[in-house]
Amino acid sequence: NAGVTQTPKFRVLKTGQSMTLLCAQDMNHEYMYWYRQDPGMGLRLIHYSVGEGTTAKGEVPDGYNVSRLKKQNFLLGLESAAPSQTSVYFCASSYPAYEQYFGPGTRLTVT
Amino acid sequence: AQTVTQSQPEMSVQEAETVTLSCTYDTSESDYYLFWYKQPPSRQMILVIRQEAYKQQNATENRFSVNFQKAAKSFSLKISDSQLGDAAMYFCAYRSFENTGNQFYFGTGTSLTVIP
Repeated sequence: NAGVTQTPKFRVLKTGQSMTLLCAQDMNHEYMYWYRQDPGMGLRLIHYSVGEGTTAKGEVPDGYNVSRLKKQNFLLGLESAAPSQTSVYFCASSYPAYEQYFGPGTRLTVT
Repeated sequence: AQTVTQSQPEMSVQEAETVTLSCTYDTSESDYYLFWYKQPPSRQMILVIRQEAYKQQNATENRFSVNFQKAAKSFSLKISDSQLGDAAMYFCAYRSFENTGNQFYFGTGTSLTVIP
């Protein structure tokens, strides 16, 4: 039981490049989330999904897109990376009404 | 939107002593969950304890306990017999049930240092 995994763990991008972060969970959770963590700002919700084929915007969705084609996977895309997107990205999953389980995080640097 | 406030950016405690981390939240909802998460230097977010709003009894997990004051919208974490491994960033979180996705709202964190 791997829990929540994220790929990759580290990435460096140049401004304007694109990339996709992959989140996978093996707990059969309905809900999945993408957060970014910046110093002094806690975790901020980017997008979330309440089930396969559904997505919704969170607090800071601009510049990101997501897809949930399979229940166990939740992808976060950056179409044109900007230095302001330098951050640590966390994926989480949960059942309704229960705590979230987090992945190990992805450190992204945009130069 | 709900807000979660952690007014102590940094705290320190002597090993084996007790420390309390503060958290307040703002909501108009009557049903919700509250959580404390720990983030050590490894970056992994680890659940410490959770509290259901409808329960009056404060949750406890070994050396960790909470003081939940629903009317005051306060949710503090007490760590007893502090250990070096308790050093981490601690986040208070609120889970809403009244919006799609049961969104979580996190505080900005308290960095806890344990002094040997």
